[in-house]
Amino acid sequence: KAGVTQTPRYLIKTRGQQVTLSCSPISGHRSVSWYQQTPGQGLQFLFEYFSETQRNKGNFPGRFSGRQFSNSRSEMNVSTLELGDSALYLCASSLAGIPYHGYTFGSGTRLTVV
Amino acid sequence: QQQVKQSPQSLIVQKGGISIINCAYENTAFDYFPWYQQFPGKGPALLIAIRPDVSEKKEGRFTISFNKSAKQFSLHIMDSQPGDSATYFCAAINYGQNFVFGPGTRLSVLP
Repeated sequence: KAGVTQTPRYLIKTRGQQVTLSCSPISGHRSVSWYQQTPGQGLQFLFEYFSETQRNKGNFPGRFSGRQFSNSRSEMNVSTLELGDSALYLCASSLAGIPYHGYTFGSGTRLTVV
Repeated sequence: QQQVKQSPQSLIVQKGGISIINCAYENTAFDYFPWYQQFPGKGPALLIAIRPDVSEKKEGRFTISFNKSAKQFSLHIMDSQPGDSATYFCAAINYGQNFVFGPGTRLSVLP
């Protein structure tokens, strides 16, 4: 059974640019959540999508946005990148919208903003 | 009230020793308490989890102890091995919401 797949694994972007990250959940999982992980702030929740609708949102500025497609794949977009956006971005998928049923993380996308 | 506190920040244990990591929470609505293990370059992986109606859960060398009245829970790793060296996160969640993670504990097990 394939796990959660995140692409790309590594990204280097310049301040002011925008970036799109992709997450393919485990087959059958309909909920996808995104997290930002930094050494100083730990794991911080960005947002959750279920059946193409954003269901929960963390305390991040509007530069961070996401969407989910009908096949449950999700994308996260960050516009006008800042140096502080450098982080490991993780997505996690789960069954049927109940967050902790089979909650599985991907290996993440390491974003470096220079 | 959504915060989960975790200690220590880092821990060094000799091979064969017991590693203990503690977490505390405030929100009594939390109803599921997992522990995640993360190796460098990987995402967190579920290690063991407990619900508040149980005081202890054991899976192999890993045990969660849960104290509902004190709003505290801890992870015990018995017979710690160098392969256990990783960052450990406690977390809490209540239905309909999302995970709140502790800041993490970096465990190093010396051979």
